[in-house]
Amino acid sequence: QQQVKQSPQSLIVQKGGISIINCAYENTAFDYFPWYQQFPGKGPALLIAIRPDVSEKKEGRFTISFNKSAKQFSLHIMDSQPGDSATYFCAASMNGGSQGNLIFGKGTKLSVKP
Amino acid sequence: NAGVMQNPRHLVRRRGQEARLRCSPMKGHSHVYWYRQLPEEGLKFMVYLQKENIIDESGMPKERFSAEFPKEGPSILRIQQVVRGDSAAYFCASSPTGLAGEDEQFFGPGTRLTVL
Repeated sequence: QQQVKQSPQSLIVQKGGISIINCAYENTAFDYFPWYQQFPGKGPALLIAIRPDVSEKKEGRFTISFNKSAKQFSLHIMDSQPGDSATYFCAASMNGGSQGNLIFGKGTKLSVKP
Repeated sequence: NAGVMQNPRHLVRRRGQEARLRCSPMKGHSHVYWYRQLPEEGLKFMVYLQKENIIDESGMPKERFSAEFPKEGPSILRIQQVVRGDSAAYFCASSPTGLAGEDEQFFGPGTRLTVL
């Protein structure tokens, strides 16, 4: 049973465009929702994270939108750049991120064309 | 402050051999997690350890796999009698004390295991 569903599987965006990646979860006990960025041959790196008490969080060009009632959250990358080309994973956890395992989506491979 | 260290970065084993993967968490971090990533897949949780204790091993196969995080030294993920299906990237992550606001899990570069 997949607890975190991520879409699309791949995404191609022109430089300067907006990249949008969506995730849906099932377990209402999740209380921490991070997004990770992974480059080929590297480990995932935390990009931005949100807790369910807020509906939006913005850090630079990256924004998480969170809809608690729909059990969905999304990552928006504004002014997408070729350097953003990577695989992005959403995740969820039940005890914050530091006392329990993260449950990951299957990932979205983003390609930003110059 | 060095990040999470994993070694070896690449490991080749023949079927039936043992694989030992090491993880040194970030300085001051006492929580360690192991994840496995198959090609074109997301990361799957295997085990969560604190110093000298296994907290959650619900994601670890019951046979052939074991993990430890001793009082001194790195965390070790051990796979006995490897099979081709064990070929994957294994990532270690660490986090600090678990206090509110310190949620981030920091990932290492991974060990890519190939079973011939």
